[in-house]
Amino acid sequence: GAGVSQSPSNKVTEKGKDVELRCDPISGHTALYWYRQRLGQGLEFLIYFQGNSAPDKSGLPSDRFSAERTGESVSTLTIQRTQQEDSAVYLCASSIQGQPQHFGDGTRLSIL
Amino acid sequence: LAKTTQPISMDSYEGQEVNITCSHNNIATNDYITWYQQFPSQGPRFIIQGYKTKVTNEVASLFIPADRKSSTLSLPRVSLSDTAVYYCLVGDRVSSGSARQLTFGSGTQLTVLP
Repeated sequence: GAGVSQSPSNKVTEKGKDVELRCDPISGHTALYWYRQRLGQGLEFLIYFQGNSAPDKSGLPSDRFSAERTGESVSTLTIQRTQQEDSAVYLCASSIQGQPQHFGDGTRLSIL
Repeated sequence: LAKTTQPISMDSYEGQEVNITCSHNNIATNDYITWYQQFPSQGPRFIIQGYKTKVTNEVASLFIPADRKSSTLSLPRVSLSDTAVYYCLVGDRVSSGSARQLTFGSGTQLTVLP
């Protein structure tokens, strides 16, 4: 069956531009997670959505980062006024509540 | 917030059993321990999850002592294709509906040699 899909797979942009990353979770998965993974590093939690509950935004590194999710479907992660330190792979995962996460292959973001 | 510590890297030979340990001294009562495998340019893939004692599935075993301050992933008879980064994740399964920050370890690079 279809897994978690992320787009674009690669994004190159100039410093100061805004970027929008998309995640299509597995159908029926109520939980959705965003992570950041810098080169050679582990996964850094950003934000968590669960159904209609208020999202857990405790991992967002600054107010330039925001995310939305429409119901239990697509989510977008937006980074405004990008900085070079935002260069990383952004991973999305979804799950049935209380179950292990299924990850997409990420969006590799490069800020010039 | 449970912080996890893993060895940065490990080497093994094909056919050997590999044990990777993760320390999580501040694990909370509701926290589960989950291990993921990640290949280059891919997202992590679930291996195994446990709460206490021992869990076994078709690819690995997970050993968790009574104090739950550490856990050990055991991979039997590794092959070259098991070369990957292995992450330990400690966090609430959020079965209660409450959101909690999830903490991945820094990962262990396992290299399987022929």
